[in-house]
This record gives sequence, C-alpha cells and structure tokens, in this order.
Amino acid sequence: EVQLVESGGGLVQPGGSLRLSCAASGFTFSRYWMSWVRQAPGKGLEWVAYIKQDGSQKYYVDSVKGRFTISRDNAKNSLYLQMNSLRAEDTAVFYCARVDTRDTDFDYWGQGTLVTVSS
Amino acid sequence: QSVLTQPPAVSGAPGKRVTISCTGSSSNIGARNDVHWYQQLPGTAPKLLIYGNDNRASGVPDRFSASKSGTSASLAITGLQAEDEADYYCQSYDSSLSAVVFGGGTKLTVL
Repeated sequence: EVQLVESGGGLVQPGGSLRLSCAASGFTFSRYWMSWVRQAPGKGLEWVAYIKQDGSQKYYVDSVKGRFTISRDNAKNSLYLQMNSLRAEDTAVFYCARVDTRDTDFDYWGQGTLVTVSS
Repeated sequence: QSVLTQPPAVSGAPGKRVTISCTGSSSNIGARNDVHWYQQLPGTAPKLLIYGNDNRASGVPDRFSASKSGTSASLAITGLQAEDEADYYCQSYDSSLSAVVFGGGTKLTVL
C-alpha cells in the first residue's frame, strides 16, 4: 500500500524557516517524480514544486522561487521541502504527492501538514 | 485568480447528473496538455479521480466520467449520491508559465 506521511509543520514567525519531510513507503520511491502541493485555509490547491527521480531537475511555482528548496533522499525514501523567508501568505496545509508515471497527475497524496506563519 | 476556471459551486438531487466545467486557454488545456480531476472530501487530502482527460483512476466508479475539448474540460457525475458531496479540482500544465496549474475548485452539494 502506497503511503506518504508528512511531518515538520508548525507555527513559525514571518521571515523564519521550516523544513518539511515526507516519508514514503509501499512503492519504489526512486522511480517517481515527487511534488509538494499546498492549500491555504479555505482555499484551493496550489502546486509548489516537484523533483525528478534522481534530484537532477527541480521546478517551482514563481511565488516560492528563491525561498523554497525541494530535495529528496532515495536511500531514506524521503522527500523534503526547505522553506525560508516565510510569509503570512505561505500559511497552508502542505501535501506531499507522487507524480504518476503514466501522465502528469498526482496519483497519491499524503494527509498533509499545516504550516502557520504568524507573529 | 486561478489559471483554470471552475464554477464555485454546483448542486444536484440524489440520482441526478451534474457536470463541472474547467476552462483554460491555449497555453494549458488548449496546448494539448492533459487534464486531471481530483475529489477532496471534507477534512481530507485530495484523491485522484480522473487522469489523462478521461481515464478513471483505480477504484473510481463509472458514475464519474470526464472529457476535454479545445480549451475546456468537464467532469460528469451521474446517479448522484450523498457521499459525492465534496470539492472537485481540475489540473493541467501551463506551457507559458512552465507550471502545474489547478482550477479554483467546485463545491458539489447533494440536495
């Protein structure tokens, strides 16, 4: 059974940093692109970033470029999101999602971890 | 404002049929980028419903179907059930933005 479990969310002050983790199991992690998608409270879904199987390619939404860094450790079956210079508008539930090999959809999602940026 | 436009809300009586539209542009749906659909039940993570424009994900009942034409796509749900009450999102890729894009979401209410 595919499982994605996020952790690392919490309350952080504006300008602060946070590192999210996603532990993957139930599939061969190293064979899949992986992604982070967020959802602000009461709002819709927003893609944040994704990373190629070997970490050689990374792509970000414009609003986080230069502030967020996606990475992975295939030996640990883990995905990460380092978030720096956090802003109030980054407050959201962050989901880890697996990118389908057949297409560009996200076929499995974690339960999400809440990041709150507030003073 | 989302790159893909969905109606904020739709509703239908049990057993009836509803459709949810997803309107894009020549740089996303119209650029032959595939459209995918997700269902998000209250308080839960999104779940893949339809991938590649019209393919049901594993375990999704055939009451759910989708199509794509030009710069738009649509999701149809027949035989509405109370358990279908959820938020639905379309997703594609925008070649001009070089980014994955989602619709703003549609809240389905089963009357």
